Amino acid sequence: GDSVTQMEGPVTLSEEAFLTINCTYTATGYPSLFWYVQYPGEGLQLLLKATKADDKGSNKGFEATYRKETTSFHLEKGSVQVSDSAVYFCALSKNNQGGKLIFGQGTELSVKP
Amino acid sequence: DAGVTQSPTHLIKTRGQQVTLRCSPKSGHDTVSWYQQALGQGPQFIFQYYEEEERQRGNFPDRFSGHQFPNYSSELNVNALLLGDSALYLCASSLGLASPDTQYFGPGTRLTVL
Repeated sequence: GDSVTQMEGPVTLSEEAFLTINCTYTATGYPSLFWYVQYPGEGLQLLLKATKADDKGSNKGFEATYRKETTSFHLEKGSVQVSDSAVYFCALSKNNQGGKLIFGQGTELSVKP
Repeated sequence: DAGVTQSPTHLIKTRGQQVTLRCSPKSGHDTVSWYQQALGQGPQFIFQYYEEEERQRGNFPDRFSGHQFPNYSSELNVNALLLGDSALYLCASSLGLASPDTQYFGPGTRLTVL
């Protein structure tokens, strides 16, 4: 079945460091890919998305490129801030499944001043 | 503009009991999806309601059931609770059965089964 695999956390970085969180997926067809973020005590928020191969999603300094050849959607940010500390989830959805999201296990990011 | 709200925030039950969780969608939304998020895991899709009918269902037993009301709010019911049902239950709302980037998540209900 369809699935999403993320790098295990926690990831601990110093402020202004470069961030990469790896995400790979297994799915038939052409899924849409997403990154969600969950801040402590809050619900999931959509961070960025890409709907077809080679699309680049971006938001708040975060970027991810849909790579069909490597079935990957790695999240990157050039310079992290303490306020980026949260749990990040990679997810996929297929157009014929009416909004059902399949999530990875999440990667906790902790940014130290 | 109120976002997705869920109640209660926390709940403690014992094995074998039944529980009802509630969700009010974001204003203007008519579709509600429920997810279960076990500790340290990603959310797993339980089911989705649209026009008061269950439209999709994930790999969850019949002990998990739901309902959607005419005002689009929704309930998740779990019968015969097991220890493994302890989790954060997330509700997400959207408009129609459109692409998932329109889904807005609530803060969740933390269920503990003792």
